[in-house]
Amino acid sequence: DIQMTQSPSSLSASIGDRVTITCRASQSISTFLHWYQQRPGQAPKLLIFTASILENGVPSRFSGSGSGTDFTLTIRSLQPDDFATYYCQQSYRSPLTFGGGTKVEIK
Amino acid sequence: QVHLVQSGAEVKKPAASVKVSCKASGYTFSDYAIHWVRQAPGQSLEWMGWLNAAMGNTIYSPKFRDRLIISRDTSATTAYMELSGLTSEDTAVYYCARDRRLSFWAPSFDSWGQGSLVTVSS
Repeated sequence: DIQMTQSPSSLSASIGDRVTITCRASQSISTFLHWYQQRPGQAPKLLIFTASILENGVPSRFSGSGSGTDFTLTIRSLQPDDFATYYCQQSYRSPLTFGGGTKVEIK
Repeated sequence: QVHLVQSGAEVKKPAASVKVSCKASGYTFSDYAIHWVRQAPGQSLEWMGWLNAAMGNTIYSPKFRDRLIISRDTSATTAYMELSGLTSEDTAVYYCARDRRLSFWAPSFDSWGQGSLVTVSS
């Protein structure tokens, strides 16, 4: 199975901060990488697919980049709604696998 | 607007089976695949399997292949996940999620059900 490793596992940030979350795959996955946001008690929500394409309705402060094994999710200016846990997911090969998550908390 | 509405919480004894439903609306059911993903308490997400809603064929994670059945009723626009041989380690919230495509290519999940809590306890 392809292992997905996210860092950090948690971070504290303030409103307006720029936040960067990284995701590393155990082997090259091209750009078959997607990002989700999950608020407490809710289902995940797709933010970015295929490494860098913003899902409809997702604010433009979210962006994704990377290819191969290293990927980044950036939140340009953190807003109150953005405090949540973020997961990456690879779809290069079955079984599909997720990262361990990054919890973004209020500083 | 896409809606996936799942069945309610279940409590099962070890070795039992559970069947969770996922009722789809707001789109043509047979045009998109459905996945099942679970999340144990405080843990990350775990993919279980994929269903081609038009043809009914499936792909399962090897971890669940021996005890998982994913099916659908197209007339009811509903997908089902049945997991057998339950243990305490199967206690989790189970989600259905719609794929952006019908085929199994670069799957990502653009709509999710609300989740169904399955608790396995003696």
